[in-house]
Amino acid sequence: NAGVMQNPRHLVRRRGQEARLRCSPMKGHSHVYWYRQLPEEGLKFMVYLQKENIIDESGMPKERFSAEFPKEGPSILRIQQVVRGDSAAYFCASSPGVRVRSSNEQFFGPGTRLTVL
Amino acid sequence: KQEVTQIPAALSVPEGENLVLNCSFTDSAIYNLQWFRQDPGKGLTSLLLIQSSQREQTSGRLNASLDKSSGRSTLYIAASQPGDSATYLCAVLYSGAGSYQLTFGKGTKLSVIP
Repeated sequence: NAGVMQNPRHLVRRRGQEARLRCSPMKGHSHVYWYRQLPEEGLKFMVYLQKENIIDESGMPKERFSAEFPKEGPSILRIQQVVRGDSAAYFCASSPGVRVRSSNEQFFGPGTRLTVL
Repeated sequence: KQEVTQIPAALSVPEGENLVLNCSFTDSAIYNLQWFRQDPGKGLTSLLLIQSSQREQTSGRLNASLDKSSGRSTLYIAASQPGDSATYLCAVLYSGAGSYQLTFGKGTKLSVIP
């Protein structure tokens, strides 16, 4: 059973370009979470999605950032018009669901390290 | 708002020593608490997960405890080894208002000296 997959592992963009980060959850998992780790900072929650639904986006910056988790395919975190302050490690996690108490553990992917030049 | 604090921020110990890492959280309405390990430039490795109804979990040389009422958790590492050198992160899954986000502490950077 493959773990959470993220690609690319490293991404370099120039200011003003778009960044697309992909996350494939573990098999059987229908919940996806995105977290951001800025240099020398802790991980911060960004968004929580289920298939075709955004459940909680309270951690997402108001502009330029969007996320989706379509019925088919990976979850995508999209950053438009990137700025140097977007340089960070972006981690995706998945879980089977949260309705069953024992299934609320989140499993993390290896992360995508975004560098904005 | 849930806040997680980890003390100390950094710790250096000689090989073979037992050690304790501390984590505190402000809101006791949690589903669970997880301890992770993060190596430089790498992802997160889950070490232990304690459900809110549990008091402790053990895995090999690691033991994690949870006191939900006081908002505290400890990670005990026995007989430390140089390979244990990493940053250890504590995270709580908050159960308030339908939000299932993990709130992380900033971590304790552990160095085990051979």
